[in-house]
Amino acid sequence: EAGVTQFPSHSVIEKGQTVTLRCDPISGHDNLYWYRRVMGKEIKFLLHFVKESKQDESGMPNNRFLAERTGGTYSTLKVQPAELEDSGVYFCASSRSGQGLGYTFGSGTRLTVV
Amino acid sequence: GNSVTQMEGPVTLSEEAFLTINCTYTATGYPSLFWYVQYPGEGLQLLLKATKADDKGSNKGFEATYRKETTSFHLEKGSVQVSDSAVYFCALIKTGGGADGLTFGKGTHLIIQP
Repeated sequence: EAGVTQFPSHSVIEKGQTVTLRCDPISGHDNLYWYRRVMGKEIKFLLHFVKESKQDESGMPNNRFLAERTGGTYSTLKVQPAELEDSGVYFCASSRSGQGLGYTFGSGTRLTVV
Repeated sequence: GNSVTQMEGPVTLSEEAFLTINCTYTATGYPSLFWYVQYPGEGLQLLLKATKADDKGSNKGFEATYRKETTSFHLEKGSVQVSDSAVYFCALIKTGGGADGLTFGKGTHLIIQP
């Protein structure tokens, strides 16, 4: 089966601009997660979708971040306006409901805000 | 809250050397423990996991034992290869309710020299 796909793989934007990251989970995976790794720090949980509903968004840093999963398929994570501290690698993961801890991660999007 | 502490790298070893990457955790309840690996240019891959005390996870020659008394999950391999060069992340997830995202350590960059 195809893996979790994220794009773009890299994005360089100026402070104040808007960027939208996309994640395509494995087909049939109801659970979709976003994580972020700021350079030199831990990978931090951002939020969790079950189908199109936000199950847990306790990790979203502030209201400049907006995640959507219309139709319960792919998800987007928009940062508007971007700040320097938003730079990092954004990972997406998906899993099938009822399969416990079977997450599959994407390769990540490296975001650089200059 | 939950946290994971792992030795920070880079850790540089010669091929065929013995590897230990330390990981300790703080968590309420009974978490499940994981080691993830990220090879250059790729996404996070699950290396091994353990879901209860004294369980040993193993894969590709790597092992880690869930030690509840010392709250540790150290990663070991008897003889490393150049192809093991990657970033290794220790992680946990709390089972039985609450926020369901993974909590990661900062990652350990492992470099194996021929």
